[in-house]
Amino acid sequence: DQQVKQNSPSLSVQEGRISILNCDYTNSMFDYFLWYKKYPAEGPTFLISISSIKDKNEDGRFTVFLNKSAKHLSLHIVPSQPGDSAVYFCAASGGGRGGNKLTFGTGTQLKVEL
Amino acid sequence: DAGITQSPRHKVTETGTPVTLRCHQTENHRYMYWYRQDPGHGLRLIHYSYGVKDTDKGEVSDGYSVSRSKTEDFLLTLESATSSQTSVYFCAIRGTSNEQFFGPGTRLTVL
Repeated sequence: DQQVKQNSPSLSVQEGRISILNCDYTNSMFDYFLWYKKYPAEGPTFLISISSIKDKNEDGRFTVFLNKSAKHLSLHIVPSQPGDSAVYFCAASGGGRGGNKLTFGTGTQLKVEL
Repeated sequence: DAGITQSPRHKVTETGTPVTLRCHQTENHRYMYWYRQDPGHGLRLIHYSYGVKDTDKGEVSDGYSVSRSKTEDFLLTLESATSSQTSVYFCAIRGTSNEQFFGPGTRLTVL
């Protein structure tokens, strides 16, 4: 049972344009959501997060939007740069004990083209 | 840089042999985690620890055990490695909020 889903395995965007990565979740107990970026042969790098009490969080070129009623979150990258090419994972936590265990989606490979 | 190192970074072993992976952190974080990453599955939690000698199972704990005798070290052991345990293993620590910071990973191949 995949509680966090990233339905697009890949996305290609031109440099300077907006990249929108999507994530859906099924567990209504999740109350904290995160995005990670991963380059090959490296560990995931934390990008940005959002609490369920908010619907938007912005950090530089990165904005995360949360729609609780739709159980959907998205990451917007504006403007996209070639260095943004990586795999992006969304993750969620919450719903009881467990040291804030994270449940990850399967990832979206973003390619930013010149 | 969250001060997390993993060793070894690469390992090739044979089916049935025991394997221990080490995660070391330098910043005295209480919570530590072991994940595995496989194509089509993202990252899945194997075990986690919420303090010295305090550990619990994650989503895919079968075939794995962990130990934490010191705050800074979290060990993952495959008692008898199988080919299905070929994967990339990541250790993580929990930051001041709910975010987790990951180590560089260990690529394990079981032949």
